[in-house]
Amino acid sequence: GAVVSQHPSWVICKSGTSVKIECRSLDFQATTMFWYRQFPKQSLMLMATSNEGSKATYEQGVEKDKFLINHASLTLSTLTVTSAHPEDSSFYICSAPRGLGTSGAYEQYFGPGTRLTVT
Amino acid sequence: DAKTTQPPSMDCAEGRAANLPCNHSTISGNEYVYWYRQIHSQGPQYIIHGLKNNETNEMASLIITEDRKSSTLILPHATLRDTAVYYCIVSPNTGNQFYFGTGTSLTVIP
Repeated sequence: GAVVSQHPSWVICKSGTSVKIECRSLDFQATTMFWYRQFPKQSLMLMATSNEGSKATYEQGVEKDKFLINHASLTLSTLTVTSAHPEDSSFYICSAPRGLGTSGAYEQYFGPGTRLTVT
Repeated sequence: DAKTTQPPSMDCAEGRAANLPCNHSTISGNEYVYWYRQIHSQGPQYIIHGLKNNETNEMASLIITEDRKSSTLILPHATLRDTAVYYCIVSPNTGNQFYFGTGTSLTVIP
């Protein structure tokens, strides 16, 4: 089945530095990918939609200058957390949709997530 | 924003059927019902989806009411490995707008 990978799986960084997280669709192309953030014991919160060849679309309340998204190719999207602070520590998950035949439905394939800890 | 409501938690005895309800009273005609589950610190895993008709696969069954305002996910013979948070999601046939609600934390008890 379709696979989405993320790299790194975990990262620890110092406050004020930037961190880049990669999301790849391994066996299918994705013109759109999604980035989520999940705090402990909470649900996944959609942060932004990554669009290949155009600017990302951010959800209300998400700072686009802090969370930079680049959809470099049909299989790669990156999320850069700029000037990270301890409150940015979270579990970041990406997903890519793939059509389910002719039904009109899409299955979202999720990456395994990246655990970011800012000290 | 999420268009679904689910009970926050449920228990189920191992080997019994687990029935997880979901309300989506504002669902639109072009929106599918999807179910995913998330085991601790992993990415969500697809279970099943449906539009109007009931659906069954190797993992579960999905029962959608005739008015499409609610659905039930059925795990026919729950095992300890089914302990997870289960999310019901309503999303249009564009692949976008995939918002998670609060989900149901299912605990399968030995």
